[in-house]
Amino acid sequence: SYELTQPPSVSVSPGQTASITCSGDKLGNKYASWYQQKPGQPPVLVLYQDSERPSGIPERFSGSNSGNTATLTISGTQAMDEADYYCQAWDSIYVFGAGTKVTVL
Amino acid sequence: EVQLVESGGGLVHPGGSLRLTCAASGFTFSTYWMSWVRQAPGKGLEWVANIKQDGSEKYYVDSVKGRFTISRDNAKNSLYLQVDSLRAEDTAVYFCARSPSRKQQLVFWGQGALVTVSS
Repeated sequence: SYELTQPPSVSVSPGQTASITCSGDKLGNKYASWYQQKPGQPPVLVLYQDSERPSGIPERFSGSNSGNTATLTISGTQAMDEADYYCQAWDSIYVFGAGTKVTVL
Repeated sequence: EVQLVESGGGLVHPGGSLRLTCAASGFTFSTYWMSWVRQAPGKGLEWVANIKQDGSEKYYVDSVKGRFTISRDNAKNSLYLQVDSLRAEDTAVYFCARSPSRKQQLVFWGQGALVTVSS
C-alpha cells in the first residue's frame, strides 16, 4: 500500500518560515493536498493540487511537489498557525501522512 | 453557510452496530462525492469510504469492507455510515467530508462523531 511520510514535529519562531515535507514514491506524479487540524476541530483544507489555496486561506501558505517530496511552506508563521498538518494523496484510495505538529515558539 | 453535522455516535460493545448520519446544508448535496474519514484518539486521519453523487459507486478501505456500508439520501441531504461487527480498533471520531470527485481533495469537513467500542 502507498505510504506518505512526514516529520513528527516542526518548530518555528513567529515571523519565520516553516517547511513541512511529505515523502512518497513518485509523489510528484500525483497531486498533494494539505490539511490543518487544531485540537478538537475538524481538518481544514489549506492547499490542494500541490499549491492551490482554497478561498479564505492566507497567502502565507504555499506548496510544491516534485520527485518524491511535497512541501508545505508557511511564510511569516503566526501563533494561529500552530496545529497538526496532514498531507494527502490519491492512490486508489485517499492516503494521509501521519501528520506533523507545528509548534510556534 | 456550508454545514456538515454528524450524529449517531456513542458507546457500543465489540460486535455491535451503529448508524452514523451526516446532515448537509448550505450547498447542493447531490452534486458532491461524499466521504467518511476517521481519526482514532491521538492518531492521524484514515479515509474509510466514499460514495458517488447518485450512490451508484461506493468504495471502502480494506479494513472495513464487509462490515461498514456507506449510503446517501439526496432527498434528505443526508449521508450515512452503517457500522457493523465493531472492533476496539474502530474507536475513533468519524468525520464526513465532501469532494468534487472520487479522487480530489476533501474540501469541507463536519465536526465529527465519536464512536467508542468497548466492553
